[in-house]
Amino acid sequence: EDQVTQSPEALRLQEGESSSLNCSYTVSGLRGLFWYRQDPGKGPEFLFTLYSAGEEKEKERLKATLTKKESFLHITAPKPEDSATYLCAVQRNFGNEKLTFGTGTRLTIIP
Amino acid sequence: NAGVTQTPKFQVLKTGQSMTLQCAQDMNHEYMSWYRQDPGMGLRLIHYSVGAGITDQGEVPNGYNVSRSTTEDFPLRLLSAAPSQTSVYFCASSSGPGWSNQPQHFGDGTRLSIL
Repeated sequence: EDQVTQSPEALRLQEGESSSLNCSYTVSGLRGLFWYRQDPGKGPEFLFTLYSAGEEKEKERLKATLTKKESFLHITAPKPEDSATYLCAVQRNFGNEKLTFGTGTRLTIIP
Repeated sequence: NAGVTQTPKFQVLKTGQSMTLQCAQDMNHEYMSWYRQDPGMGLRLIHYSVGAGITDQGEVPNGYNVSRSTTEDFPLRLLSAAPSQTSVYFCASSSGPGWSNQPQHFGDGTRLSIL
């Protein structure tokens, strides 16, 4: 069965303090790994899709990387508006419609 | 451009009542899906549709029913509400099915409590 584990569950950083969020996954044939951002009371908002080990994608202060077993979301010099819950999800090969989501990392950036 | 719109935003039901959660999208997306989000668990797929007239079960379909008569709308029906269905429900749409890796666009959710 596909599994996604995100760590840490919660992370508090000072503004400008860089760090990384981890997403470990187990899936039989990865088609894609997704990162979403979710603000309180809102739906998830798409950030990145990664397809193969070694791939990297960037958006503003965020950079996502992928290995064969895990993905990292690096946040550089974060600002308070980066505070949110970050969700990771995997999609299996061979037409399976199910996205398997992790439980997320709740990130708080303190001014 | 509204994206994915869900109504109502909040609802309280009594056990055994039925209701319909509405979802509409204005992006002409073929693929739509319903998820539930519970504390300590990831989003779980309830039902999905790859186009008008076509629906299929996801991971946790029991107690829910869907239909897709138009491209825009994908309502979720609770047949006889149970306390275990207390959750936050999200509707999502994308320009392609899950295997196409097109990103999903989510609505802001319906927070449902069953007493």
